[in-house]
Amino acid sequence: EVQLVESGGGLVQPGRSLRLSCAASGFTFDDYAMHWVRQAPGKGLEWVSGISWNSGSIGYADSVKGRFTISRDNAKNSLYLQMNSLRAEDTALYYCAKSKRGIYSSSPFDYWGQGTLVTVSS
Amino acid sequence: QSALTQPASVSGSPGQSITISCTGTSSDVGGYNYVSWYQQHPGKAPKLMIYDVSNRPSGVSNRFSGSKSGNTASLTISGLQAEDEADYYCSSYTSSSTIYVFGTGTKVTVL
Repeated sequence: EVQLVESGGGLVQPGRSLRLSCAASGFTFDDYAMHWVRQAPGKGLEWVSGISWNSGSIGYADSVKGRFTISRDNAKNSLYLQMNSLRAEDTALYYCAKSKRGIYSSSPFDYWGQGTLVTVSS
Repeated sequence: QSALTQPASVSGSPGQSITISCTGTSSDVGGYNYVSWYQQHPGKAPKLMIYDVSNRPSGVSNRFSGSKSGNTASLTISGLQAEDEADYYCSSYTSSSTIYVFGTGTKVTVL
């Protein structure tokens, strides 16, 4: 059974940093691309970032480019999102999502975690 | 990159069929056969229902089907059931620097 468990969320002041983690199990982690997708309270879904199976290709939404960094450790079956210079508009539930394919582009998200909440507020 | 346009709400009676539209541009929906649909129940994570315009993942009911014409994709739910009441989001690959775009979301109500 595929499981994705996010952690690392919390309350943080504007301008500070936070690192999210996603622990994956139930599938061969290094065969698939992975993504972060967020959902602000009461709002829709927004793709944040994606990384290919071997970290060779990485992409970011324009809204987070230059502030967020995605990475993965295939030996630990883990996905990460380093979030710097956080803003109030980054407040959201952050989901870790598995890609259906090894490439991170043009591939649907076939499994999702339950999310970790990030609140940016002074 | 603007969100894809979906109707805010769609409703139907049990047993009926409903269709949710998802309108984009030639840079996303119209340009690629990489449209997906996700179902989200309140307080739950999204679930993939349709991918690559019309493919159903294993385990998804065949009451769900997808199609595309030009810059508009559609999700049809036939034989509507109470459990289908949820929010539905489309998503597409896009040629913009933000490579994925989601729709605005549609709330499906079973009357």
